[in-house]
Amino acid sequence: DAGVTQSPTHLIKTRGQQVTLRCSPKSGHDTVSWYQQALGQGPQFIFQYYEEEERQRGNFPDRFSGHQFPNYSSELNVNALLLGDSALYLCASSLGGADFKRYFGAGTRLSVL
Amino acid sequence: GENVEQHPSTLSVQEGDSAVIKCTYSDSASNYFPWYKQELGKGPQLIIDIRSNVGEKKDQRIAVTLNKTAKHFSLHITETQPEDSAVYFCAAQGVYNYQLIWGAGTKLIIKP
Repeated sequence: DAGVTQSPTHLIKTRGQQVTLRCSPKSGHDTVSWYQQALGQGPQFIFQYYEEEERQRGNFPDRFSGHQFPNYSSELNVNALLLGDSALYLCASSLGGADFKRYFGAGTRLSVL
Repeated sequence: GENVEQHPSTLSVQEGDSAVIKCTYSDSASNYFPWYKQELGKGPQLIIDIRSNVGEKKDQRIAVTLNKTAKHFSLHITETQPEDSAVYFCAAQGVYNYQLIWGAGTKLIIKP
């Protein structure tokens, strides 16, 4: 049973570029949440996707957008990259109902130069 | 908005001793409290969680306690082992909220 998989594992971009990160949820899960984790800090909620719709959004600008596909996989897009976007981006999968348990992937380390 | 404070930021204990990490939350509507362990280069791993209708939960060497009146919850690890060394995060989720609010993390060091 595959867990949550994220790709790529590492990415280097320059300021102003755009990036797409990908996530496949744990088998049987239908909900994907994205988090940004700066070095030495706890994760910050970006948004959650359920039934291909953004269900809730954290305090992140519109440069951060996402998508969920019919197979429940998800993408996180970040436009006009800033140096401050350098972080570990984590994807968590869960069941959309009453089960709150989230399972995280290993993350994508994004470096913006 | 919801805020979660976590203490201590670093905890060093002798192998075999117990470790306790404490968190305080601000939103009295929070009803779900997970704990995650994060090792270097890995994503957070769910180790135990508790709902607001339960005061204590135990899983082998790990236990979590919740005091709703005081709005704080704690992680207890007994008989610590070298593989327990990691960063531990607490988090909280409200009733009408789909996001987890995280503490700043505790670096647990197990001394041989």
